[in-house]
Amino acid sequence: DTEVTQTPKHLVMGMTNKKSLKCEQHMGHRAMYWYKQKAKKPPELMFVYSYEKLSINESVPSRFSPECPNSSLLNLHLHALQPEDSALYLCASSQPARRQGIEQFFGPGTRLTVL
Amino acid sequence: QKEVEQDPGPLSVPEGAIVSLNCTYSNSAFQYFMWYRQYSRKGPELLMYTYSSGNKEDGRFTAQVDKSSKYISLFIRDSQPSDSATYLCAMSAFTGNQFYFGTGTSLTVIP
Repeated sequence: DTEVTQTPKHLVMGMTNKKSLKCEQHMGHRAMYWYKQKAKKPPELMFVYSYEKLSINESVPSRFSPECPNSSLLNLHLHALQPEDSALYLCASSQPARRQGIEQFFGPGTRLTVL
Repeated sequence: QKEVEQDPGPLSVPEGAIVSLNCTYSNSAFQYFMWYRQYSRKGPELLMYTYSSGNKEDGRFTAQVDKSSKYISLFIRDSQPSDSATYLCAMSAFTGNQFYFGTGTSLTVIP
């Protein structure tokens, strides 16, 4: 199984809502990533988990809170977001690396709209 | 100056054409060069990666790296409508190090 799954596919939320994005992989990868991608822009790294521990936080605002409950699951908890946070949120996984593994497998993303 | 430069296109070609996609970079420390394909509203998919200079071929796709010119290319032979997507290059100095993505080139292959 070389698939990374993400739920939900689409999410619309208000600025006062709390929601969570979920990512799952069963490739035995021990590195998992959250990226944010705006339209016509490349993905921007947000967080890296390596062996279920947060290893990289790219100065992401605290309204984004990642969680890695086990080696297959990665969550991104959202609270008090701003309209400019609307984007495609991508999860990826790879074999562990110092920062970003070369062969990353991406999920299809969650398209988030903040009203 | 950006670390990685990529012409955003859009690029439109007839079916069966040879497509050339390119990126230039400024950091001579880059050793790993990746090409991702991203369909509309989907996540990126790694097509291939090369280490250092040279060519690598996989089916209709060929990746070339010219480190002396700091220039990489992806060639698509016998292009198909299913190749219509955005192609992102990415680079890294060391395995496991920070990625630098290009902005992506939008390709449309017309039947």
